Amino acid sequence: NAGVMQNPRHLVRRRGQEARLRCSPMKGHSHVYWYRQLPEEGLKFMVYLQKENIIDESGMPKERFSAEFPKEGPSILRIQQVVRGDSAAYFCASSPLRTSSYNEQFFGPGTRLTVL
Amino acid sequence: DAKTTQPNSMESNEEEPVHLPCNHSTISGTDYIHWYRQLPSQGPEYVIHGLTSNVNNRMASLAIAEDRKSSTLILHRATLRDAAVYYCILESGGGADGLTFGKGTHLIIQP
Repeated sequence: NAGVMQNPRHLVRRRGQEARLRCSPMKGHSHVYWYRQLPEEGLKFMVYLQKENIIDESGMPKERFSAEFPKEGPSILRIQQVVRGDSAAYFCASSPLRTSSYNEQFFGPGTRLTVL
Repeated sequence: DAKTTQPNSMESNEEEPVHLPCNHSTISGTDYIHWYRQLPSQGPEYVIHGLTSNVNNRMASLAIAEDRKSSTLILHRATLRDAAVYYCILESGGGADGLTFGKGTHLIIQP
């Protein structure tokens, strides 16, 4: 069973361009989470999605950032008009369908975004 | 989610036990205590979780104070591969909600 996959692993964009980060959850997982880690800081939760639904976007910046998890295909985190402050590592995690038991989050290797 | 407090860094020798403390004095009755760790240049990985009772798994043990205001992650025999940042996290959704990572404890293992 392959783990959580993220691509690209490294992404370089110039200011004003768009960045698209992809996350394929583990097989059978229907929950996806996106986190951002700025240099020398801990991870910050951004958004929690199920298939075709945003469950919690309380950590998402109000402008330029959007996320989706379509019925088919990977989850996408989209950053429009990137600025230097968006340079960070973006991690995706997935979790199985929520039941009465514990739900561990499985993290991918991250996408390191550099904005020039 | 309630706040946790951890030492910035700790150092231990290889093959010795390591006790990583975490204070969470404002924990609520429904908060789980989760521990994740992040190895250099990798995504975090789950270590262990607990609610009220002490817990053991193949990676570690979790000792929870009777009043639940603190907990200790125990690595019974540290190896160089255990060098990582360890995060203590409180969350009330059984692990399914977005997690709030603090700065964690940077564990250094000396050979």
